[in-house]
Amino acid sequence: DAGITQSPRHKVTETGTPVTLRCHQTENHRYMYWYRQDPGHGLRLIHYSYGVKDTDKGEVSDGYSVSRSKTEDFLLTLESATSSQTSVYFCAISEAGQETQYFGPGTRLLVL
Amino acid sequence: GENVEQHPSTLSVQEGDSAVIKCTYSDSASNYFPWYKQELGKGPQLIIDIRSNVGEKKDQRIAVTLNKTAKHFSLHITETQPEDSAVYFCAAGSGAGSYQLTFGKGTKLSVIP
Repeated sequence: DAGITQSPRHKVTETGTPVTLRCHQTENHRYMYWYRQDPGHGLRLIHYSYGVKDTDKGEVSDGYSVSRSKTEDFLLTLESATSSQTSVYFCAISEAGQETQYFGPGTRLLVL
Repeated sequence: GENVEQHPSTLSVQEGDSAVIKCTYSDSASNYFPWYKQELGKGPQLIIDIRSNVGEKKDQRIAVTLNKTAKHFSLHITETQPEDSAVYFCAAGSGAGSYQLTFGKGTKLSVIP
């Protein structure tokens, strides 16, 4: 998985609780992305980062926030989890000037 | 924004036969088209990609074709094997800035031994 780890790999939480997912890379790539994957929807971009402290919204950003204080770490936070955020979350990375994205192993989140 | 349609959603083939998956895109500015394979419980893995200045690209049993005029691109897998069974995703990107990708909804390929 191209030097990408995601933690936790599985999480069960309750509606209304905050949740933070972590993506860690050892490739020193500039760009990092968070996607969610749901049946019938493919992969949809939540947020992305184009450098330390530089982030922007994707297609489905409502209810999510991100932070990137170091090149290697990109955090996704659900401030108050809802059942509609039950999904599999994937992190991806890409080098500056390169289109190719490499994906991590994913985090399966269940919001009860 | 970009919209990517992928067909079929499921595909079953006999081992040794060929499989074809098709995608269409809406944004004429898109110029990068990757294909990913996702096995159960794993992250998507890039298997082949093509850029808009190329019409066809091959890598062993896998090939991708691109028709810019019609805005569609296809994945061709020849001599299919059971280990080709997976979900395949196409995507389109404009290569501008953050290289955002828009994905199709996926095709579940089953290769029957």
